[in-house]
Amino acid sequence: SYELTQPLSVSVALGQTARITCGGDNIGSKNVPWYQQKPGQAPVVVIYRDTNRPSGIPERFSGSNSGNTATLTISRAQAGDEADYYCQVWDNNTVVFGGGTKLTVL
Amino acid sequence: QITLKESGPTLVIPTQTLTLTCTFSGFSLSTSGVNVGWIRQPPGKALEWLALIYWNDDKRYSPSLRSRLTITKDTSENRVVLTMTNMDPVDTGTYYCAHRQTSMNAFDIWGQGTMVTVSS
Repeated sequence: SYELTQPLSVSVALGQTARITCGGDNIGSKNVPWYQQKPGQAPVVVIYRDTNRPSGIPERFSGSNSGNTATLTISRAQAGDEADYYCQVWDNNTVVFGGGTKLTVL
Repeated sequence: QITLKESGPTLVIPTQTLTLTCTFSGFSLSTSGVNVGWIRQPPGKALEWLALIYWNDDKRYSPSLRSRLTITKDTSENRVVLTMTNMDPVDTGTYYCAHRQTSMNAFDIWGQGTMVTVSS
């Protein structure tokens, strides 16, 4: 079965850029959405189809996907960006989530 | 405006069957390209996809849980039902239903989730 690998945690200084990676075999050939989940809340999609932002998501959130790694980039990180982030793919007619990354804004 | 809400028991006895209902508004599950999925999350752990149903009644299941899951829809009542048999304490967690549009290839709108505890 397909596996997605995310770092357990990423830290970023306030106002700096955070990058969260999602590794998978030839993930660049797949469409990757990213979800943000704050404590006690349901996930929210922040990026879909690798690079697209839904309406209402700040431009500070961007995505890329190539080779074996998809990346979520959060520019000018804010305290409100502290959350768990999950990548996801569609593989062989099933949905696969990554293990999640906890983003801490210092 | 699309909304989804999960409902069902908060406590399930081990070996029993869990039945969860997702009641939605703002879209029709008979519209081409529309799907509804179920995702769960054990306390403090990652998201885990369970099942997905398409507008055309096609269904997909998590390979590891396929034998225990059934997903159905009632288009006229705007509901999707998930049943999971032989519940175990490891199935404890928050269960979410979510709207997925094929064109987005993502779960774009989620319900608030419902917490299910499996315990005797």
